[in-house]
Amino acid sequence: GAGVSQSPRYKVAKRGQDVALRCDPISGHVSLFWYQQALGQGPEFLTYFQNEAQLDKSGLPSDRFFAERPEGSVSTLKIQRTQQEDSAVYLCASSRGGGQGGEQYFGPGTRLTVT
Amino acid sequence: AQKVTQAQTEISVVEKEDVTLDCVYETRDTTYYLFWYKQPPSGELVFLIRRNSFDEQNEISGRYSWNFQKSTSSFNFTITASQVVDSAVYFCALSVTASGTYKYIFGTGTRLKVLA
Repeated sequence: GAGVSQSPRYKVAKRGQDVALRCDPISGHVSLFWYQQALGQGPEFLTYFQNEAQLDKSGLPSDRFFAERPEGSVSTLKIQRTQQEDSAVYLCASSRGGGQGGEQYFGPGTRLTVT
Repeated sequence: AQKVTQAQTEISVVEKEDVTLDCVYETRDTTYYLFWYKQPPSGELVFLIRRNSFDEQNEISGRYSWNFQKSTSSFNFTITASQVVDSAVYFCALSVTASGTYKYIFGTGTRLKVLA
């Protein structure tokens, strides 16, 4: 079966450009998470969806970051007016249920480089 | 504060040696979950194990074993007879409740290099 997929795998953006990163979770998975992983660091939580509801967006670093999951499946993370400090790998993960402690399945990530 | 500390940044061992990766966590929650994930060079994190806060039983899976001790807030991971394919970055993670929902907090990872 298909795992979590993310596109694009690599994105180079000029400072000030807007970018959109896509996540296709495993079909039927209720929970979806976005993380930011800087070089040599662990994933940092950005936001969490349960179906189409965004239950937690406390990790989004600024109001330039916006995420949506309108139909409870595919999710998009949008970054407006990109800055150099946004350069990182953005990971998406999905989990079967909506409860705490679920095993997360991760995608390969999108490596964003802002020049 | 909710926190996961992996004090070992990088460990190098020779193949067939045993190696233990340390993980110390902080939380005031009484119900929480602990995880280990492996991130090979390809980049995709792979789930290894989950433990809930009420289950302190240690677990063994093949060459992998985990030691969970609430008294010291530790959840250490041991690889027995390491192999080159074990080379990866290993992350310990904590799942806690927050504002009516829950989140996962990852440590900074330990890079394991297994030399042939």
